[in-house]
Amino acid sequence: QVQLQESGPGLVKPSQTLSLTCTVSGGSISSGAYYWSWIRQHPGKGLEWIGYIYYSGTTSYNPSLKSRVTISVDTSKKQFSLKLSSVTAADTAVYYCARTGYTRSYFDDWGQGTLVTVSS
Amino acid sequence: DIQMTQSPSSLSASVGDRVTITCQASQDISNYLNWYQQKPGKAPKLLIYDASNLETGVPSRFSGSGSGTDFTFTISSLQPEDIATYYCQHYDNLPFTFGPGTKVDIK
Repeated sequence: QVQLQESGPGLVKPSQTLSLTCTVSGGSISSGAYYWSWIRQHPGKGLEWIGYIYYSGTTSYNPSLKSRVTISVDTSKKQFSLKLSSVTAADTAVYYCARTGYTRSYFDDWGQGTLVTVSS
Repeated sequence: DIQMTQSPSSLSASVGDRVTITCQASQDISNYLNWYQQKPGKAPKLLIYDASNLETGVPSRFSGSGSGTDFTFTISSLQPEDIATYYCQHYDNLPFTFGPGTKVDIK
């Protein structure tokens, strides 16, 4: 079973860019069978899919965040990354990375999640 | 975007009870529906994919059914370790969206 681990700052100032990295171990990030997703969960709330990337670099984003989101991949490091620009307090959330099926889009492996707080 | 609704939003049941949660999509999503369990402070865990298929390693007391717009998730005999919030998620098109969750407690 693949393991995913999020890393990055836990505190970001308003108007700045949130940057997180997910490191994949125990499996190949270059497997054509999967996308690699970012999902967030506001405190005490439900789950919101942010977007995903294929190992080739092809991306899809949630239209609600598309103007501020960039997801990238570094297959040599077995990592994919999230950048969310112009953050506000509304972006305070637990951010998860997750493996996503290519033909069946279920999220079958998740990182433990990392809380990012937007505050000055 | 496809809107997902769940009912009830919370429930309390006794150990051994049969528990049923419903999920409704705002449009036909065929069987492109998954169910997750999330325990406090933990990441969600995939339980059911394609509406009715049990993920490997998941106890058989969990099951799912439905297609189109109406789906059901069932725990046949509630166990103490099943205390969690359960979410449905569609993947008919982008963006993927989740239901608001159903919190399950022990009575």
